[in-house]
Amino acid sequence: GAVVSQHPSWVICKSGTSVKIECRSLDFQATTMFWYRQFPKQSLMLMATSNEGSKATYEQGVEKDKFLINHASLTLSTLTVTSAHPEDSSFYICSASPEGQGRGNQPQHFGDGTRLSIL
Amino acid sequence: QKEVEQDPGPLSVPEGAIVSLNCTYSNSAFQYFMWYRQYSRKGPELLMYTYSSGNKEDGRFTAQVDKSSKYISLFIRDSQPSDSATYLCAMTRGSTLGRLYFGRGTQLTVWP
Repeated sequence: GAVVSQHPSWVICKSGTSVKIECRSLDFQATTMFWYRQFPKQSLMLMATSNEGSKATYEQGVEKDKFLINHASLTLSTLTVTSAHPEDSSFYICSASPEGQGRGNQPQHFGDGTRLSIL
Repeated sequence: QKEVEQDPGPLSVPEGAIVSLNCTYSNSAFQYFMWYRQYSRKGPELLMYTYSSGNKEDGRFTAQVDKSSKYISLFIRDSQPSDSATYLCAMTRGSTLGRLYFGRGTQLTVWP
C-alpha cells in the first residue's frame, strides 16, 4: 500500500509554455501533499505544502505565481510551472502520507518524480 | 548550521561488506526518523522508519536512533550491487504528516 503516482515522468517543452505535473495517492487519502525540487547530486528542496481545499503554503524564495499548486481532491495535487524558462529545468517530486482512521503516524511516500526540461 | 548533517560520500565498498551510513541533527524536537533510498532519476523509496530512540531491523537493514547524541545510523549487511544508490536520512517533528528535514544524501556504490 501507500503508492504515490506522478505524471508525466519526463517532459520537454519550449520556453514560455506552462507545464502541469500531477501527483496522485492511489490507495489512500491525503489532505496534505508536498512538492520538492531536486538538482543533480543534491538533496530534495521543499517548495510548497499542498493542502486539500485551501491555498498551498510556499517556502521562502519560491514564487507562488510561477509554481501554481492545486489540491482539488483528497487524492490529487497538481503543480503547474507557468511560463517556464530553462532555469526551471529540474527534477520535481511529490510526497504524501497516508491518513485517516486507524492509520496512525505513517511515513511519507514519494512519487517517481518528473524530469522537466525547458528548451 | 544545517538542521540535518549527512556526509555525501561517495562511499564505495565491495559486495558483501557491511555498510554504515550516518546522520547527525541539531533539533531535539525531531521524533520520527526515516531512511530513504533513491536510485538515479527516481523518487526516494522508504527503507526504514523509526520513532524515538532504539533499533529496528528489517532483513539486511538495521536502523539505529540515539536521541541523546542526536545521531542516527543505517547499517546494510551483506551489501549487494543492487544496493548502489543514494541514501537519504530524513526526520520530522511531532508528526509524520509534517514536513521532512533531509540530509544531503550519501552516494553508495557496491562493486562486485
